Amino acid sequence: DTAVSQTPKYLVTQMGNDKSIKCEQNLGHDTMYWYKQDSKKFLKIMFSYNNKELIINETVPNRFSPKSPDKAHLNLHINSLELGDSAVYFCASSVRGGGYTFGSGTRLTVV
Amino acid sequence: GEDVEQSLFLSVREGDSSVINCTYTDSSSTYLYWYKQEPGAGLQLLTYIFSNMDMKQDQRLTVLLNKKDKHLSLRIADTQTGDSAIYFCAESSNDYKLSFGAGTTVTVRA
Repeated sequence: DTAVSQTPKYLVTQMGNDKSIKCEQNLGHDTMYWYKQDSKKFLKIMFSYNNKELIINETVPNRFSPKSPDKAHLNLHINSLELGDSAVYFCASSVRGGGYTFGSGTRLTVV
Repeated sequence: GEDVEQSLFLSVREGDSSVINCTYTDSSSTYLYWYKQEPGAGLQLLTYIFSNMDMKQDQRLTVLLNKKDKHLSLRIADTQTGDSAIYFCAESSNDYKLSFGAGTTVTVRA
């Protein structure tokens, strides 16, 4: 009964690999997001999707490709991983006029 | 974030009140939020306030909003050790983006 669930929780991978993080929400929200939290704990939006349509792409390298097969899912695929991609990635969802609900995060470590 | 600013650290004695301050620049902000992040955990929504309100109280939490000065504060009454965490202020001026401050690390000492 987790509201926003993302998998995996931890991901350790080598430079140059391709990886995906999955996110699902069961709240019936129509907007989903990916946020990146860096080592200084700073949170910055990467993408937002509304009803499966990309609304915001905040100058994220095109190695990052979000995919929303339906309103309840927003996955993040990352190609050719770099050391600087190491961070915690948070998925979130919201409904208009309401609070944002965040997943528990995926800690990505690129070695 | 450059649009939302908050002090980085706050140390408070157990049982005292904590006040965390935040300023923002976007005058079209419609909602303002406070999130809590404990070590190694995700973001927990504590409370949020609509921009046409100036105060909201929820148990030990009191949010004050001064829209003219674009200043938001979170007061935690009777601070406990479990309140030690990073507190993020965030604002939303549209439906598709939440802008965060850098977070205030609150340390509760015995």
